[in-house]
Amino acid sequence: DTGVSQNPRHKITKRGQNVTFRCDPISEHNRLYWYRQTLGQGPEFLTYFQNEAQLEKSRLLSDRFSAERPKGSFSTLEIQRTEQGDSAMYLCASSLGPGANYGYTFGSGTRLTVV
Amino acid sequence: DAKTTQPNSMESNEEEPVHLPCNHSTISGTDYIHWYRQLPSQGPEYVIHGLTSNVNNRMASLAIAEDRKSSTLILHRATLRDAAVYYCILSIETSGSRLTFGEGTQLTVNP
Repeated sequence: DTGVSQNPRHKITKRGQNVTFRCDPISEHNRLYWYRQTLGQGPEFLTYFQNEAQLEKSRLLSDRFSAERPKGSFSTLEIQRTEQGDSAMYLCASSLGPGANYGYTFGSGTRLTVV
Repeated sequence: DAKTTQPNSMESNEEEPVHLPCNHSTISGTDYIHWYRQLPSQGPEYVIHGLTSNVNNRMASLAIAEDRKSSTLILHRATLRDAAVYYCILSIETSGSRLTFGEGTQLTVNP
């Protein structure tokens, strides 16, 4: 078990381009979460999945953002028409069950820079 | 979501115990108390969590006040590798168990 894996680790893109990030959770974990973190701030919740179902989305997740978790395994987060304000660390986490009682395992994140 | 209050920063000396406080006066009966820490350029790392009773694991101890309105994360012997931002978070299953992070406590460990 190698933990939660996120790819790529770093992404530099031009404003207006689309980007996609991938998260591979721990295999037996049925819950998967996406967070965003800007410099000096704590991570902010974006969305979460239980198996393949997307159960909650934050108001931070604008129409330009979409997340999927086909077959309840890996997940992708796509940002369309990137803006400079999208520059941040995007973190993925997974948990075995209700995270309140199981704890979460985070990946190392994907750092996005929009130029 | 119920909020937590932590000091912005704390300092400790290597090999000494560290007590990181957290206030959560609006905690509800079903809120779990979680602690995570984050090193620079890494994702948060789970440290410990509990509901009502004190908890111990290989990383730390969690002491929860009897009224649950405050808790303390205890690192028994600080090492330089413990220097990180420590987050105290309340997590409730009815919110999908998402974590609402604050700004945390920046722990500096002096050699």
